[in-house]
Amino acid sequence: DTGVSQDPRHKITKRGQNVTFRCDPISEHNRLYWYRQTLGQGPEFLTYFQNEAQLEKSRLLSDRFSAERPKGSFSTLEIQRTEQGDSAMYLCASSLFRGPVGELFFGEGSRLTVL
Amino acid sequence: DQQVKQNSPSLSVQEGRISILNCDYTNSMFDYFLWYKKYPAEGPTFLISISSIKDKNEDGRFTVFLNKSAKHLSLHIVPSQPGDSAVYFCAARGNTGKLIFGQGTTLQVKP
Repeated sequence: DTGVSQDPRHKITKRGQNVTFRCDPISEHNRLYWYRQTLGQGPEFLTYFQNEAQLEKSRLLSDRFSAERPKGSFSTLEIQRTEQGDSAMYLCASSLFRGPVGELFFGEGSRLTVL
Repeated sequence: DQQVKQNSPSLSVQEGRISILNCDYTNSMFDYFLWYKKYPAEGPTFLISISSIKDKNEDGRFTVFLNKSAKHLSLHIVPSQPGDSAVYFCAARGNTGKLIFGQGTTLQVKP
């Protein structure tokens, strides 16, 4: 399968614990995006990378969140000291920079439940 | 501020009829508009897009219309099928390439 893959698909954790999500994009894509989706809302932009450079971070991304893409391939999103408000689906997407129709290709998401 | 809005949370249509999903935006600098479809427990999948310099794009049963003066776009599905039942998100592409999504419209197509 050559699509975007995310791991784990579901994570249940207790408040205050740290969690890390991994995303493997489509191999030839140089852009990688993280979004968050809560019930009844559309995906909200968190951050994106072009190759290994993190080019933009949303105001939604508090200092408890950190994302990396060390070699311009896979990416990790870490949430430290989780809070119940962090419960959401975390979506990763990849694309070619300025692809012809602008589409992002999404993974199936990692659902976080903070108890 | 919500730059992309889908004001109808849900829509129900009969199989074989037309489904029309609507979307409004505020930023005239968006260069592409896209529609995504999402089934439960899956990520959004790309459906159809339109460049800001066009007013219509058609792909099989799906047509997207763009009215730039009204900052409005719509997705028409004709004929609607039960398998089209899903959440549909409108999205707009900004100058950095990121997509800004609306809140989504849940479409139910009844047999």
